[in-house]
Amino acid sequence: GQQLNQSPQSMFIQEGEDVSMNCTSSSIFNTWLWYKQDPGEGPVLLIALYKAGELTSNGRLTAQFGITRKDSFLNISASIPSDVGIYFCAGRDVYNQGEKLIFGQGTELSVKP
Amino acid sequence: EAGVAQSPRYKIIEKRQSVAFWCNPISGHATLYWYQQILGQGPKLLIQFQNNGVVDDSQLPKDRFSAERLKGVDSTLKIQPAKLEDSAVYLCASSPQRDNIQYFGAGTRLSVL
Repeated sequence: GQQLNQSPQSMFIQEGEDVSMNCTSSSIFNTWLWYKQDPGEGPVLLIALYKAGELTSNGRLTAQFGITRKDSFLNISASIPSDVGIYFCAGRDVYNQGEKLIFGQGTELSVKP
Repeated sequence: EAGVAQSPRYKIIEKRQSVAFWCNPISGHATLYWYQQILGQGPKLLIQFQNNGVVDDSQLPKDRFSAERLKGVDSTLKIQPAKLEDSAVYLCASSPQRDNIQYFGAGTRLSVL
């Protein structure tokens, strides 16, 4: 089945540093999504990307939809302690029965004040 | 706008027992999803409903898992009988038809002993 490889698995950074994480797939997706999950909560949508090559920002977050449609990256600039959490990429797969999200394994971010 | 509501938040049962989870999606969202999230992994789709009809249940272990959305609003997910490997967070999500962006509830954390 389809798989998303997300890297790195975890990151430990100092407050104020920039962060970059990425996601690659063996399959093409028409939409890439980035979610953040805090402990004990469900994933919350950060950014949605709909076109190959699209670069979208949301505050200190910037994400890009790869030209090949098989990858995406997320950057966080000037990290702060509340950025701590697990970040998931997800590709949206449209198929006969409908559509579904395929999630990566997550990148756990720790920010040291 | 109220988010996706799930209950209970936590459940501890012994193997071979039965358990049920409840989800109330965001008002007006036609599509409802149940995901299983094992510790350290991304969410995995179990079943997708469009109104009260099943769109995709290909990854639902039907010998022990069942789900229903009788009136096209609330949904319940049941496990009977539970196994140790069912220990996970069960997430419910819903999406409107206009953009199909999925919004997640906080999840039910199940521990099977």
